[in-house]
Amino acid sequence: DTAVSQTPKYLVTQMGNDKSIKCEQNLGHDTMYWYKQDSKKFLKIMFSYNNKELIINETVPNRFSPKSPDKAHLNLHINSLELGDSAVYFCASSQVGVQGGETQYFGPGTRLLVL
Amino acid sequence: AQSVTQPDIHITVSEGASLELRCNYSYGATPYLFWYVQSPGQGLQLLLKYFSGDTLVQGIKGFEAEFKRSQSSFNLRKPSVHWSDAAEYFCAVGGYYGQNFVFGPGTRLSVLP
Repeated sequence: DTAVSQTPKYLVTQMGNDKSIKCEQNLGHDTMYWYKQDSKKFLKIMFSYNNKELIINETVPNRFSPKSPDKAHLNLHINSLELGDSAVYFCASSQVGVQGGETQYFGPGTRLLVL
Repeated sequence: AQSVTQPDIHITVSEGASLELRCNYSYGATPYLFWYVQSPGQGLQLLLKYFSGDTLVQGIKGFEAEFKRSQSSFNLRKPSVHWSDAAEYFCAVGGYYGQNFVFGPGTRLSVLP
């Protein structure tokens, strides 16, 4: 009954490979996100999707491509992996509440190590 | 542009002592404010949030935070820290569709037995 789930939890791969990370939420939320957390724990938003449509696309290399087959899923595909892509990637989902604010709920993270 | 600062990178307290983690924000409109906790190797868990109303908000695990508009602050407090509170704490300010959702750099809390 996990609210926001990600697979895999750990991903070790070679430079130049292509990999995907999957995210699913069962909260019925309309909006989903991908964040990158670097080695200094700094969290930065990468993408945001609302009802399968891209809302935010921060300055992220076009090697990163999000795909949302439905509003419960937001996958992240990464082409030609580089050493600098090593990080923890978090998926999150949110819904606007009755007070107008939006609370984000996070998945457990995917720890990506590029060798 | 919106921003969040957490002046303390690392704080160490003794178990049973009180705790205050500082958070200051810069935001052009009424902010929605959050505190998240990240235990080692884990994801982010929401501790509490402020949208409107009472400026003192209660959260999970005995935490509370107070919104002070005049000081642009949203400090997190706990009267008595437990060893299991050792973690990274993130303050965040948000808006609609995450467009203005910005995290602070985090404060690492260590707890001495």
